[in-house]
Amino acid sequence: GQNIDQPTEMTATEGAIVQINCTYQTSGFNGLFWYQQHAGEAPTFLSYNVLDGLEEKGRFSSFLSRSKGYSYLLLKELQMKDSASYLCAVREGNYQLIWGAGTKLIIKP
Amino acid sequence: IAGITQAPTSQILAAGRRMTLRCTQDMRHNAMYWYRQDLGLGLRLIHYSNTAGTTGKGEVPDGYSVSRANTDDFPLTLASAVPSQTSVYFCASSDVASGGTDTQYFGPGTRLTVL
Repeated sequence: GQNIDQPTEMTATEGAIVQINCTYQTSGFNGLFWYQQHAGEAPTFLSYNVLDGLEEKGRFSSFLSRSKGYSYLLLKELQMKDSASYLCAVREGNYQLIWGAGTKLIIKP
Repeated sequence: IAGITQAPTSQILAAGRRMTLRCTQDMRHNAMYWYRQDLGLGLRLIHYSNTAGTTGKGEVPDGYSVSRANTDDFPLTLASAVPSQTSVYFCASSDVASGGTDTQYFGPGTRLTVL
């Protein structure tokens, strides 16, 4: 069956680094997305991986290992505004995404 | 308009009433989606449309219907609302093109409470 697992909640300190993991079991794979969602707001796109390896975008990086069904989102130099939920989603076929429940990241001063 | 708009922002509805949630995008994206988001659960796809004139059922379609008469609009209708349809509803769109990432972009959401 389809399954995407992420930790429910994580806590980190301002200025530090945090890694949010996502593991997936799907019948197909055609890309993995990370989205950020602040409380009460819409999800916004962060990153996309379809090939193995690391994609870096400023303070955020995303890694994919297709053979292990595993991805992580790495956030560096954490800021208070990074407090949000981070959603992992896998595209199995052509269009539709399967979503994880999200990881709530709490940043402490 | 820039991006995706949804209306209303929030709504309290009596059970049994009919309700249409509106979604409009100005990005000329060919695909559009309706999701519901409930606490502790991931986004769940209700219905989708890959192009104007076509629609499809997602993971949780029961009690909902959609139409896609043109590229820009994708309304979601609850024919007879029930309390279990209390949720936050997000509309999204994407540009499905060969070789593209097909990233989905979301509207601001509609918070619906059914009493």
